[in-house]
Amino acid sequence: DAGVIQSPRHEVTEMGQEVTLRCKPISGHDYLFWYRQTMMRGLELLIYFNNNVPIDDSGMPEDRFSAKMPNASFSTLKIQPSEPRDSAVYFCASRDRGIQYFGPGTRLLVL
Amino acid sequence: QQPVQSPQAVILREGEDAVINCSSSKALYSVHWYRQKHGEAPVFLMILLKGGEQKGHDKISASFNEKKQQSSLYLTASQLSYSGTYFCGTETTSGTYKYIFGTGTRLKVLA
Repeated sequence: DAGVIQSPRHEVTEMGQEVTLRCKPISGHDYLFWYRQTMMRGLELLIYFNNNVPIDDSGMPEDRFSAKMPNASFSTLKIQPSEPRDSAVYFCASRDRGIQYFGPGTRLLVL
Repeated sequence: QQPVQSPQAVILREGEDAVINCSSSKALYSVHWYRQKHGEAPVFLMILLKGGEQKGHDKISASFNEKKQQSSLYLTASQLSYSGTYFCGTETTSGTYKYIFGTGTRLKVLA
């Protein structure tokens, strides 16, 4: 298996622009997690899905953030409008038997 | 509330041992340990469930004291490849799969 796939790997955008991050989980994994990592706040859980249904989105920082999982093999995290404080590495992870497998991450820089 | 890890950073020589601690203010159901190398995604090391068990593979082991709401990771005869940042991920309620990651411990092994 190719593991969790994320795209893009790097994104540089200007404040106010819409950003869409994409994730393809490992086939057969029924949980998908979105995390944000910064030096100041560490690794934070934003939202997670079970069988494509959002279970807990209490970590989503603001209404500017939204996440969807239209099917078992694809999820998006959208930021609209983006702000400089959204700059971070965003990880997607899928879960199997208690183990979370992280994707390589998307490094986002908002200017 | 984010679990607190100690020490924040540690430098070792090859062959030396280290202990990393993870303390939570909440009762824990499970503790997960991950290692993240610079610029990479976190990688799963092991999971410990409520019951005070101890686990290990190779020269890395961990313990879980549910009464103290603490877990410790033991690195024995450290190797250069052990360098990275170690995170504990805690689950406070069984079945939620909502992991709160600790503050992280940076470990550097020198030749």
